[in-house]
Amino acid sequence: QSVLTQPPSASGTPGQRVTISCSRSRPNIGSNIVNWYQQLPGTAPRLLIYSNNQRPSGVPDRFSGSKSGTSASLAISGLQSEDEADYYCAAWDDSLNGWVFGGGTKLTVL
Amino acid sequence: QVQLVESGGGLVKPGGSLRLSCAASGFTFSDYYMTWIRQAPGKGLEWVSFINSRSTTIYYADSMKGRFTISRDNAKNSLYLQMNSLRAEDTAVYYCATVRGIIIEYWGQGTLVTVSS
Repeated sequence: QSVLTQPPSASGTPGQRVTISCSRSRPNIGSNIVNWYQQLPGTAPRLLIYSNNQRPSGVPDRFSGSKSGTSASLAISGLQSEDEADYYCAAWDDSLNGWVFGGGTKLTVL
Repeated sequence: QVQLVESGGGLVKPGGSLRLSCAASGFTFSDYYMTWIRQAPGKGLEWVSFINSRSTTIYYADSMKGRFTISRDNAKNSLYLQMNSLRAEDTAVYYCATVRGIIIEYWGQGTLVTVSS
């Protein structure tokens, strides 16, 4: 059972906006910083959003992150077929001295 | 550009050992913290271990403590993971990655470890 909880699946049609939530179950997730990763089928994860809402260079602005209290969200606007992937949230855990990941959300573009 | 190439994966019997390597290029390896993450087949991501740039700070996930050893050779731009007493549940793709602050940033393509008799 992950410290970070994500819905196992999400879906949308091309052009739609979808959001994926990530909520933490205990308070000592350090610094309130959540990062998001995209894992396309058969590939390694890549950093999509860092520090709750920052995009690395090369990530389209269709992807955005936000955080409020104990929950974070990833939003994808103008959904495209190539966005079909698994999405993971992650955060540093002070009590573990390591990272915890959400269980992942499989996004299907209908 | 940052490139991380893992190697050393393969099939090993329960109780056996394996040493994974991660060759880094395209950045100043000795300036970066590094980490290993794994992913069991069809499952999510699980953090394994962390090492700082000078090898003075090392952390492990609880289930790996005492069995896995992370190390690095800055002169060879390489990161390692020595895995002993392997179990079936250690079967996974193992990724090495760079760390910036508390952000896991760049990932390698992974190497598959299969523990089976």
